Amino acid sequence: GQQVMQIPQYQHVQEGEDFTTYCNSSTTLSNIQWYKQRPGGHPVFLIQLVKSGEVKKQKRLTFQFGEAKKNSSLHITATQTTDVGTYFCAGETSGSRLTFGEGTQLTVNP
Amino acid sequence: DAGVIQSPRHEVTEMGQEVTLRCKPISGHNSLFWYRQTMMRGLELLIYFNNNVPIDDSGMPEDRFSAKMPNASFSTLKIQPSEPRDSAVYFCASSLMRASYEQYFGPGTRLTVT
Repeated sequence: GQQVMQIPQYQHVQEGEDFTTYCNSSTTLSNIQWYKQRPGGHPVFLIQLVKSGEVKKQKRLTFQFGEAKKNSSLHITATQTTDVGTYFCAGETSGSRLTFGEGTQLTVNP
Repeated sequence: DAGVIQSPRHEVTEMGQEVTLRCKPISGHNSLFWYRQTMMRGLELLIYFNNNVPIDDSGMPEDRFSAKMPNASFSTLKIQPSEPRDSAVYFCASSLMRASYEQYFGPGTRLTVT
């Protein structure tokens, strides 16, 4: 079945450093979504990417969708303590089912 | 809008007991999803409804698990009999039409089976 892999599993950074998480799918995706889950909370939708090579920005967050629509990345510039949490990618295949990656747990040291 | 509502928020039960988790999706959303989250297996889709009809239940672990959606505003996930390995956080999520649309997650039910 479809697999969505994310790396790294954990990332510890000092406040102000940049952070990137990568997502790779074994199959071509119709679209990819990114979610953030704060400790003890529930996943919250961040963004959806649909087009090949698409790049979207939300303040300090930059999301990219690969040309082959099999990989994606989330980059945070100058992390803040409010960025702490687990970031999930979720890919949809033509079967209309979202498969979540394992997530990258980000901790930010002040 | 109150968002997705789940109850109970916490459930502690003994092995062999029946557990029923409840979910009220956001009004107007046509798709509903049940997920299970554990440290070992991450976030897993259990079942997905569209317009109250189960579309994909391939993630349901075994016959002990069942889910229903009798109407557009209510769904249940039942585990009978429960086992310690069922301990997890169970999330319900809803979206406007289907998986392509952003999903709104409820606060989750933390289930502990002793």
